[in-house]
Amino acid sequence: EAQVTQNPRYLITVTGKKLTVTCSQNMNHEYMSWYRQDPGLGLRQIYYSMNVEVTDKGDVPEGYKVSRKEKRNFPLILESPSPNQTSLYFCASSFAVGTEADTQYFGPGTRLTVL
Amino acid sequence: AQSVAQPEDQVNVAEGNPLTVKCTYSVSGNPYLFWYVQYPNRGLQFLLKYITGDNLVKGSYGFEAEFNKSQTSFHLKKPSALVSDSALYFCAGWDAGKSTFGDGTTLTVKP
Repeated sequence: EAQVTQNPRYLITVTGKKLTVTCSQNMNHEYMSWYRQDPGLGLRQIYYSMNVEVTDKGDVPEGYKVSRKEKRNFPLILESPSPNQTSLYFCASSFAVGTEADTQYFGPGTRLTVL
Repeated sequence: AQSVAQPEDQVNVAEGNPLTVKCTYSVSGNPYLFWYVQYPNRGLQFLLKYITGDNLVKGSYGFEAEFNKSQTSFHLKKPSALVSDSALYFCAGWDAGKSTFGDGTTLTVKP
């Protein structure tokens, strides 16, 4: 089944404790992206990747890191989480290439709480 | 820089009536526009997209959207609403990898 998977689905952690949220897709997509969803603010893009070893900042990259060492995986790293990073996080992937847009396929989400 | 706006936080319609969820955009080049739907406790699902071509785009579950360049709008429509259409709807723009979403519109369809 074609899908985007995220782990963990739920995470409660404490301020300053490094964490990684994994994202994997099995559709051979070039493009992958991370978003956070907060009430009343829609989805805001954190980072995106057009291809392996190519990553770019979205609208809210502060406090986050990403890497794209292989096509299928795009982990999101919070080196020192803070309470304002409490949010619902979505990973997405797409056949989009270069300037050509295409549909994004979303993972099920990761609900993160930072105490 | 692009921006996408959904001017209504909430839309309420009666089952069987037509529905419209509004979206306006601002982009510097060719607009690439999408509608996604989010059901409670679920991820986002694709409904339809405008890339180029026909201004009337048909999508999943009987939804359609009309791209209007002069009004910079991309409103989502359905001729006859169902209770099961109740969900959170997002309009999104795409510009060379940067993806911008509206704040979302909660659609409630009452029996």
